[in-house]
Amino acid sequence: DQQVKQNSPSLSVQEGRISILNCDYTNSMFDYFLWYKKYPAEGPTFLISISSIKDKNEDGRFTVFLNKSAKHLSLHIVPSQPGDSAVYFCAASASGQNFVFGPGTRLSVLP
Amino acid sequence: DTAVSQTPKYLVTQMGNDKSIKCEQNLGHDTMYWYKQDSKKFLKIMFSYNNKELIINETVPNRFSPKSPDKAHLNLHINSLELGDSAVYFCASSQRQGRLRDGYTFGSGTRLTVV
Repeated sequence: DQQVKQNSPSLSVQEGRISILNCDYTNSMFDYFLWYKKYPAEGPTFLISISSIKDKNEDGRFTVFLNKSAKHLSLHIVPSQPGDSAVYFCAASASGQNFVFGPGTRLSVLP
Repeated sequence: DTAVSQTPKYLVTQMGNDKSIKCEQNLGHDTMYWYKQDSKKFLKIMFSYNNKELIINETVPNRFSPKSPDKAHLNLHINSLELGDSAVYFCASSQRQGRLRDGYTFGSGTRLTVV
């Protein structure tokens, strides 16, 4: 039972353009969401978060949008840089419980 | 360096063996976790310890036994290894359960291969 889905296993984007990574969830009790970035042979590192009381959170080149009615969130990276090439995981939590992770999307930013 | 460190990074072993993976965090976090990244790349929680006390124990075979000698360490011992145990195992820590703003800090993973 996949409560957190990332339906695109991979995404390629040209350097300087916008990268949009999508995440869908099924559990309406989820109230906190994180994005993690993972390079090969390293652990995931925290990127950005959003609470269900917001619909947008921005941190530099990274913006996360939350659409609660659609149970959908997205991560926008503008402008994309080659160093952004990594696997991005979406994670969700309900009421302070442990996070449920999606399977990840591999982003390749082409120079 | 402040971090979550786990050893070994790679582990290749035969079926039936017993092995351990160690994890240490020097972040002063109260809660530690073990996650398994399966062949489909999902990160699934196995165990969670808060101040040396077991909080979460997901449906994991009892061949897997976590041990937390203190709140900075959470080791994972696996008995009678099976082929299906091959995966990447990540240790993680967080300030405390319920404090989610910063999420988890992950170790770099242990790639376990059972042959």
